[in-house]
Amino acid sequence: KAGVTQTPRYLIKTRGQQVTLSCSPISGHRSVSWYQQTPGQGLQFLFEYFSETQRNKGNFPGRFSGRQFSNSRSEMNVSTLELGDSALYLCASSLEIGPDTQYFGPGTRLTVL
Amino acid sequence: AQSVTQLDSHVSVSEGTPVLLRCNYSSSYSPSLFWYVQHPNKGLQLLLKYTSAATLVKGINGFEAEFKKSETSFHLTKPSAHMSDAAEYFCVVSERGANDMRFGAGTRLTVKP
Repeated sequence: KAGVTQTPRYLIKTRGQQVTLSCSPISGHRSVSWYQQTPGQGLQFLFEYFSETQRNKGNFPGRFSGRQFSNSRSEMNVSTLELGDSALYLCASSLEIGPDTQYFGPGTRLTVL
Repeated sequence: AQSVTQLDSHVSVSEGTPVLLRCNYSSSYSPSLFWYVQHPNKGLQLLLKYTSAATLVKGINGFEAEFKKSETSFHLTKPSAHMSDAAEYFCVVSERGANDMRFGAGTRLTVKP
């Protein structure tokens, strides 16, 4: 079975721009979660989608948003980029929502200049 | 709320010697506990998980961890380190699912030849 895939792997943007990241979960997985990883804050939960609905959201500003499509693929959008948004963004999928094992993708490295 | 503490930010061992990465957790319920490994510029790979079955959990690549409720610990061990084990290791506790997964700060494992 193919693992979680994320595109693009690397992105460079400037302040004020917006960016969209994409995540394709493992086939059959219906839950997709997004995390931000930075050296200072570590791994932080952004949001979780299940059946095209956002089920849970972490403590991030409204500039961070996402959606999930009927095939479980998910996109994450960050508007009005700030320097502090530079991070590795990880997507994870699981079979169901709840205490299930998360399988992570390779991440998208976003650099904001 | 649950939390996790990785007691060592950096561990250095020689190839062929045992590995011990320490993790203590705090949880009001019966949590799920995970160990993930992250190689440079890669996503997180699941090593093993504990979900209230056997207290000694065997994972991939020769790693195992023992759940000790009395000590609230979930230390990761491997009898003999290999150069390819050099990476960052994360201990994770979860009570309900992705939205409440708490990641430790990580332990960087260095393996010397």
